[in-house]
Amino acid sequence: SQKIEQNSEALNIQEGKTATLTCNYTNYSPAYLQWYRQDPGRGPVFLLLIRENEKEKRKERLKVTFDTTLKQSLFHITASQPADSATYLCATENQAGTALIFGKGTTLSVSS
Amino acid sequence: DTEVTQTPKHLVMGMTNKKSLKCEQHMGHRAMYWYKQKAKKPPELMFVYSYEKLSINESVPSRFSPECPNSSLLNLHLHALQPEDSALYLCASSQQPGTSGGTGELFFGEGSRLTVL
Repeated sequence: SQKIEQNSEALNIQEGKTATLTCNYTNYSPAYLQWYRQDPGRGPVFLLLIRENEKEKRKERLKVTFDTTLKQSLFHITASQPADSATYLCATENQAGTALIFGKGTTLSVSS
Repeated sequence: DTEVTQTPKHLVMGMTNKKSLKCEQHMGHRAMYWYKQKAKKPPELMFVYSYEKLSINESVPSRFSPECPNSSLLNLHLHALQPEDSALYLCASSQQPGTSGGTGELFFGEGSRLTVL
């Protein structure tokens, strides 16, 4: 079955730097990968989706890449701010294409 | 209106109680989901409703009983729960069933924090 791995549990960076989070999948190449933000005690909020035929997607200070050779997606936040501190979840479809499965998430802390 | 509303936000119950979690969306979405999330873990899928019919049950114990009275409402009935069932229960919806329909984006509610004593 498909597995989503976000190997870094925590990432600490300084304000203004670029945060780079990694998501790897282990099995078949999914049709897309999604990224969500989750604040403590709250539900995840959708940020970006990138399809397998797209190399890169941008939205304001966010950028996502999809490398099917490396079986990896990178999620970048440029000019990071303390307000960007949260847990970021990578997600993709299960093998049946019936639901989303999530990685464990990476908790980003941006210090001023 | 792009919201999924969950009630109650917090629930404390004993192991012999019967309670329900409620979820509502008015975005015309045709798929609704229950996820369970423990601390520092990712959301885990429990149930999927497609066009108001249960399409996926991820081998969830029968002490959790989902119900979809109409296309806007989703309930999770709780009975004889165990302390290890304490978690954040998240409801979500998507435009279409299946992850390839529309963008596959899930809209989550804020969750119901359940504590079983």
